[in-house]
Amino acid sequence: AQSVTQPDIHITVSEGASLELRCNYSYGATPYLFWYVQSPGQGLQLLLKYFSGDTLVQGIKGFEAEFKRSQSSFNLRKPSVHWSDAAEYFCAVGANSWGKFQFGAGTQVVVTP
Amino acid sequence: DADVTQTPRNRITKTGKRIMLECSQTKGHDRMYWYRQDPGLGLRLIYYSFDVKDINKGEISDGYSVSRQAQAKFSLSLESAIPNQTALYFCATSDTTGAVTFGSGTRLTVV
Repeated sequence: AQSVTQPDIHITVSEGASLELRCNYSYGATPYLFWYVQSPGQGLQLLLKYFSGDTLVQGIKGFEAEFKRSQSSFNLRKPSVHWSDAAEYFCAVGANSWGKFQFGAGTQVVVTP
Repeated sequence: DADVTQTPRNRITKTGKRIMLECSQTKGHDRMYWYRQDPGLGLRLIYYSFDVKDINKGEISDGYSVSRQAQAKFSLSLESAIPNQTALYFCATSDTTGAVTFGSGTRLTVV
């Protein structure tokens, strides 16, 4: 069975500092991996996705993620966070690119001045 | 107008009542989904539909039913609501390229 683990429930980061959110997955085949962001009171917005090819993928809002098959990880990074990056972030895995996903529990990011 | 519209945005209902959550999309996609979000659990798939004649159970379908009235409409029903169905419900639609669009959610409280 597929599963997704986001080890950090809550992260606090200073504005301008770097951010890394961890995601580990368990999946029998080659996974399709996604990061979504949810701002307060909003739905989910896709940040980036990995299907194949270059293991470092670039997304919107200055985010990037690196797929490491040997570690079953797909960590999300941003070099310098902005106050508007305060949100909840979800990692998701699927058998394909459709919307039938397994989501992680989410990581809440708080940005301090 | 939003690509995926969910109604109502908020709803409080009593235990044992039947309630329907509605979803419509203007993306023209065949695939539609209902997810439930609970704090600390992320989103869990309730039902999904790959076209008008196709309905599939997701991870947590017990206590829920769905109806795909048209390509653009996918409704979720709770036949007899119970308090542990209090959650934030999301409808979504996708194409085959991985472009998934979520609605803004329906916050349901069962008292």
